[in-house]
Amino acid sequence: DTGVSQNPRHKITKRGQNVTFRCDPISEHNRLYWYRQTLGQGPEFLTYFQNEAQLEKSRLLSDRFSAERPKGSFSTLEIQRTEQGDSAMYLCASSLPGKKLVSPLHFGNGTRLTVT
Amino acid sequence: DAKTTQPTSMDCAEGRAANLPCNHSTISGNEYVYWYRQIHSQGPQYIIHGLKNNETNEMASLIITEDRKSSTLILPHATLRDTAVYYCIVISNFGNEKLTFGTGTRLTIIP
Repeated sequence: DTGVSQNPRHKITKRGQNVTFRCDPISEHNRLYWYRQTLGQGPEFLTYFQNEAQLEKSRLLSDRFSAERPKGSFSTLEIQRTEQGDSAMYLCASSLPGKKLVSPLHFGNGTRLTVT
Repeated sequence: DAKTTQPTSMDCAEGRAANLPCNHSTISGNEYVYWYRQIHSQGPQYIIHGLKNNETNEMASLIITEDRKSSTLILPHATLRDTAVYYCIVISNFGNEKLTFGTGTRLTIIP
């Protein structure tokens, strides 16, 4: 299976701890997105990368959140000093946009974070 | 600012066609209609997209009204595995816009 891979699938942490999630996109996909989804809601955009460049960040992405894609391949999302409100599903997606058309996003199955 | 309006939930009998409506009355000329679905505990999955012509692929058909203010996603022979939340999204074709999800339609296929 060469889809988007996210690790870990589940993470339980205590409030105040730091957590890091990893996303491996489909190879040759140069665009990578992070979304967050809480229960009963649709996914909310957090940030995206074109290769290694982080091109846009949502205001949802507080200064406790940082995302990187150092070599334009895999990406990590770190949350520092976690709060209970950070509990959510964190989704990663990748795409290979064409020149004129928005390319469909391919999503991973997410990392579910529970902050106790 | 919601660009699309969808019913909160729908039921459909197994084997019947599921018709999921979406209103996008403020759509502009360079915006496409995309449909994704999200099965429980999985990430969203792309289904189909269109600009103004009707489209069909192995998963579904997309019917867009002539004025482009609404569309319908059709699953021709619904199965239990089609139970999911279906999202209708309008997005520009300039290639640098991110998807903005609403709350979608929760489709339940009934045996």
